[in-house]
Amino acid sequence: DQQVKQNSPSLSVQEGRISILNCDYTNSMFDYFLWYKKYPAEGPTFLISISSIKDKNEDGRFTVFLNKSAKHLSLHIVPSQPGDSAVYFCAAMKNSGYALNFGKGTSLLVTP
Amino acid sequence: DAGITQSPRHKVTETGTPVTLRCHQTENHRYMYWYRQDPGHGLRLIHYSYGVKDTDKGEVSDGYSVSRSKTEDFLLTLESATSSQTSVYFCAISEPTLKRGYSGNTIYFGEGSWLTVV
Repeated sequence: DQQVKQNSPSLSVQEGRISILNCDYTNSMFDYFLWYKKYPAEGPTFLISISSIKDKNEDGRFTVFLNKSAKHLSLHIVPSQPGDSAVYFCAAMKNSGYALNFGKGTSLLVTP
Repeated sequence: DAGITQSPRHKVTETGTPVTLRCHQTENHRYMYWYRQDPGHGLRLIHYSYGVKDTDKGEVSDGYSVSRSKTEDFLLTLESATSSQTSVYFCAISEPTLKRGYSGNTIYFGEGSWLTVV
């Protein structure tokens, strides 16, 4: 039972434009949400996170938005750069838990 | 860099043989994890540990065992490897985080161990 869903397996965006990656979850007990970026043959790298008490968190070019009522979050990358081309994983954690539930990932391609 | 080292990084083994993957951390983290990544599945939790000799199962624990005899090492063992266990295995640690927009645990991953069972 997939509790975290990334329904777009891939996304292609032009350099300089905005990339929007979406994530939906089903478990209302999730309180923490994290995004990871993964290049081939490397481990996932932590990118940005948000607590359920917030609806927005930003770090440089990366902003995460959380809509708790819709059980939906999104990652915005502005402006997109070719080096952003990677697989992005959305993950969620319960307040009482210590392990992450992951989505299947979205492969982002930023073209020059 | 969360101070995680995985070994071996690459291994090819035969069906039915035992295999042990090692995760070593240098920063005294209490929580450690083993995940596997497969195409179409994202990352799935195999086992995790919340202290020395304290471990618990994740969602895909069948066929795997773990041990943690000291804080810095978390071992994943495939008692009798099968082709379905061909995968990339990631060790991870959990670190409390307190900063603007987020106060919770953040999980950091190692570089991965590529295992092929033939």
